[in-house]
Amino acid sequence: GQQLNQSPQSMFIQEGEDVSMNCTSSSIFNTWLWYKQDPGEGPVLLIALYKAGELTSNGRLTAQFGITRKDSFLNISASIPSDVGIYFCAGRMNRDDKIIFGKGTRLHILP
Amino acid sequence: EAGVVQSPRYKIIEKKQPVAFWCNPISGHNTLYWYLQNLGQGPELLIRYENEEAVDDSQLPKDRFSAERLKGVDSTLKIQPAELGDSAVYLCASSLTGYFDEQFFGPGTRLTVL
Repeated sequence: GQQLNQSPQSMFIQEGEDVSMNCTSSSIFNTWLWYKQDPGEGPVLLIALYKAGELTSNGRLTAQFGITRKDSFLNISASIPSDVGIYFCAGRMNRDDKIIFGKGTRLHILP
Repeated sequence: EAGVVQSPRYKIIEKKQPVAFWCNPISGHNTLYWYLQNLGQGPELLIRYENEEAVDDSQLPKDRFSAERLKGVDSTLKIQPAELGDSAVYLCASSLTGYFDEQFFGPGTRLTVL
């Protein structure tokens, strides 16, 4: 079945640093989604991408839909303490398909 | 506007016991989803409802899991009997449009089976 590989699995950074994470798929997707999950909460949608090559920003977050349609990237600029959490990528082929989640990238910010 | 409400938030039971989780979706959302999230993993869809009809339950282990959404609003997910491997977070989500990219998640119920 479809699999999503997220990397890195975890990151330890200093406050103020920029963050980059990515997600690759074994098959082509037509939609890529990025979620953030805080402890004890459900995932919250950050950015949705619907077109290959698309670059979309949400505040300090920027995500890109890879040209091959098999990958996506999320960047966070000037990290702050509230950025701590788990970031999940998710994707699907068709609009009616269920979305497949990656295993997440856990972001830690060092004091 | 209130979000998706789930209860209980935490549940600890012994194996072979039954357990039930309740979800109240966002008002007006006809589509409701139940997900399983194992530790260190992303959510996996168990079942999707359109109003009171289960339109996708292919991933629901039907030997021990059941779900219902009798009046097309609240939903209950049940496990009977629970096994050690069922320890996980059970997430509920709802959507106004029925599209997965427009779903809102609840906080989840963390189940521990001893």
